[in-house]
Amino acid sequence: NAGVMQNPRHLVRRRGQEARLRCSPMKGHSHVYWYRQLPEEGLKFMVYLQKENIIDESGMPKERFSAEFPKEGPSILRIQQVVRGDSAAYFCASSPRRGDGYTFGSGTRLTVV
Amino acid sequence: DQQVKQNSPSLSVQEGRISILNCDYTNSMFDYFLWYKKYPAEGPTFLISISSIKDKNEDGRFTVFLNKSAKHLSLHIVPSQPGDSAVYFCAASARGIQGAQKLVFGQGTRLTINP
Repeated sequence: NAGVMQNPRHLVRRRGQEARLRCSPMKGHSHVYWYRQLPEEGLKFMVYLQKENIIDESGMPKERFSAEFPKEGPSILRIQQVVRGDSAAYFCASSPRRGDGYTFGSGTRLTVV
Repeated sequence: DQQVKQNSPSLSVQEGRISILNCDYTNSMFDYFLWYKKYPAEGPTFLISISSIKDKNEDGRFTVFLNKSAKHLSLHIVPSQPGDSAVYFCAASARGIQGAQKLVFGQGTRLTINP
């Protein structure tokens, strides 16, 4: 029973490129959450999705960032035209039902050069 | 606007002694609190939680205390072991609010257990 799988573990992008971060939730989990951790800070909520639906995107920057959780396949966090300030660790978590505790993945470390 | 604060960036404790990590919050709508432990290059791992209807929850060596009037919670680890060395995050949520699912995290406290 694999945990929450995130890939890639490390991603390097030049300024202006696109970054795609993938998250496969635990088996049986249909709720996915994305968090971002900037250096020396705590994790900040970005978005909460269920299959094919965005439930809460109050933490998503207004531009360049989007997320999806299709009926089939992993959840994708997409960052267009990356800038240096996007460099951070991006963590995905999943839960079987709303209100249940999360299980976090190991994160994707994005570096923008 | 830092709604959850961990004012000690680091803490060093002798092995076998008690570790006390502190957390303060400002949002009175928070009704569920959690502690996570994080090792480098890994995701946070859930440790223990407490609902606002309680003032104490215990699980083995870990005890969380909640003081709602002071908007303060603490995590006690006793006895402390070298494997407890990690960054500890306090988190809070307002589960009573319809649809509220997000956790608000503090900045973390790096705990070092010295042999």
